Amino acid sequence: AQTVTQSQPEMSVQEAETVTLSCTYDTSESDYYLFWYKQPPSRQMILVIRQEAYKQQNATENRFSVNFQKAAKSFSLKISDSQLGDAAMYFCASFSNDYKLSFGAGTTVTVRA
Amino acid sequence: EADIYQTPRYLVIGTGKKITLECSQTMGHDKMYWYQQDPGMELHLIHYSYGVNSTEKGDLSSESTVSRIRTEHFPLTLESARPSHTSQYLCASSGWGLETQYFGPGTRLLVL
Repeated sequence: AQTVTQSQPEMSVQEAETVTLSCTYDTSESDYYLFWYKQPPSRQMILVIRQEAYKQQNATENRFSVNFQKAAKSFSLKISDSQLGDAAMYFCASFSNDYKLSFGAGTTVTVRA
Repeated sequence: EADIYQTPRYLVIGTGKKITLECSQTMGHDKMYWYQQDPGMELHLIHYSYGVNSTEKGDLSSESTVSRIRTEHFPLTLESARPSHTSQYLCASSGWGLETQYFGPGTRLLVL
């Protein structure tokens, strides 16, 4: 199984500011996928963004972007122009060839008005 | 995007009762998953299926069982619920050749 590490249990950001969540992973595979999921208080997991390891270009979805450093096995998420609705727990996950996801422990993001 | 449903959303039940958590998806996805998640904690895979009549145990040992008789349906059963089973259970699915998993709303189970 792959290992995913999120070293920041909690992050706080002022509304309209930018916050970056860190994630590192460990894999022996050459082809894999990485994801960031958001889990708001309703507790439904929502896909935020995904990155294919073979793509050098960092994925972007509106205000969400990633910094994918393949050699360092790092996959950070940047939330720009933070909004109150961004408050949630964010999970980093990696996908392995057996079609299973490995999740990190999560980072709770609080947005201050 | 997948439409995936879970029922019930909340369940409070006494020790020793048999329960079945329902999960269904309407996108024809072949792969389905069950995760267990305690509040504020990470997700742990407890069961998965690659298709009809295929079921496998996940990384976290669980006393629950699953079945996959139809592509769209992946129920999870606890024969005798215990307080240690209190948790949230999340169902997910993904399509063939697609790595993205889509999640249902979850079932919060409380065993008294």
